[in-house]
Amino acid sequence: DGGITQSPKYLFRKEGQNVTLSCEQNLNHDAMYWYRQDPGQGLRLIYYSQIVNDFQKGDIAEGYSVSREKKESFPLTVTSAQKNPTAFYLCASAGFGAEAFFGQGTRLTVV
Amino acid sequence: GESVGLHLPTLSVQEGDNSIINCAYSNSASDYFIWYKQESGKGPQFIIDIRSNMDKRQGQRVTVLLNKTVKHLSLQIAATQPGDSAVYFCAETNTGFQKLVFGTGTRLLVSP
Repeated sequence: DGGITQSPKYLFRKEGQNVTLSCEQNLNHDAMYWYRQDPGQGLRLIYYSQIVNDFQKGDIAEGYSVSREKKESFPLTVTSAQKNPTAFYLCASAGFGAEAFFGQGTRLTVV
Repeated sequence: GESVGLHLPTLSVQEGDNSIINCAYSNSASDYFIWYKQESGKGPQFIIDIRSNMDKRQGQRVTVLLNKTVKHLSLQIAATQPGDSAVYFCAETNTGFQKLVFGTGTRLLVSP
């Protein structure tokens, strides 16, 4: 099946820990994105990548890090510097000049 | 699942009515616009898109209008059905930079 896969669906983190959210796509898309969504809110851009080995900060990059070592993969690390990490995280990918396709999201909860 | 739309603007319509959802975009350099539908606990799904060289595009039961002069998009849904109940987001990007930014969203409630 072609698509974009996020894992895990639910993730629990203790305060002070780093956690990594996985995002994999087999759509051969160059661009990939990470968004954060809080309850009752819209999608805020964390990081995006237009090509392998390159990425740019979005509007709320502080406390997050990413890597793009392979075209298919764009993992997001939520670091201990992110003071309020509990949220719904969405990954997307897009071909050039085309719509973005989204994964089903990861809900991160700090315990 | 994740609850979206608790504090978003809400549009309530009756089944069979036509719905119009509006969006103001921010970047005059944006040249590609997309409407997404998001159901609770799920990722957004593509509905329809439009490029800046057009002012109207129609799909199945949906129409998108673009007014570049006032940086405004609208999504029209014909004969709205209960299954259309969801949160709707517009998104904008410049195809040269591919930074995809979302608007605030509108929750659509359709009553039978």
